[in-house]
Amino acid sequence: SQTIHQWPATLVQPVGSPLSLECTVEGTSNPNLYWYRQAAGRGLQLLFYSVGIGQISSEVPQNLSASRPQDRQFILSSKKLLLSDSGFYLCAWEGSPNYGYTFGSGTRLTVV
Amino acid sequence: AQSVTQPDIHITVSEGASLELRCNYSYGATPYLFWYVQSPGQGLQLLLKYFSGDTLVQGIKGFEAEFKRSQSSFNLRKPSVHWSDAAEYFCAVGSDTGGFKTIFGAGTRLFVKA
Repeated sequence: SQTIHQWPATLVQPVGSPLSLECTVEGTSNPNLYWYRQAAGRGLQLLFYSVGIGQISSEVPQNLSASRPQDRQFILSSKKLLLSDSGFYLCAWEGSPNYGYTFGSGTRLTVV
Repeated sequence: AQSVTQPDIHITVSEGASLELRCNYSYGATPYLFWYVQSPGQGLQLLLKYFSGDTLVQGIKGFEAEFKRSQSSFNLRKPSVHWSDAAEYFCAVGSDTGGFKTIFGAGTRLFVKA
């Protein structure tokens, strides 16, 4: 069966520090992969999506970046975090378009 | 472009009572519609989805939703709510250009009182 792993679960980082969040999927190949951010009390904002290795599309300009070095690995990064980067980050995968997402358990990022 | 509106920010129901969460969408063609549930501090879980066919779809955990094209709605229902249903519920709409165009509503927080 397919599973999705996302880590770390929580992270407290100082302003200006780098960030790396990792997401891996098991049990499937060539999934569509997504990074969403959920601010407190708000809905989900799509940050990046990827339909294949090395293929990244950005939905919102910001100081975050994403990479997909392997088929089932999706990484969210930042060189210098801002206070406004705080939030709940969710990785998701989809086996085929409009099949429905499977989400990871999320990373709670607090920038201090 | 598609959009989705969840008019209710939060709803409180008594345990054992029926539930209906509202969702309205905007999309020019036949939409792909989804409902997800999120428990506090967790990721989202897919409850059900509608692509075509029968307009009443059954999902997990006893939930169902009805697609009404004339009203551009996809409301989520449950006949008898359990305390464990307290969570946030998100309606989402996808496009026929692929899942990466799925748009999520702002969510409805469900509170269940004893």
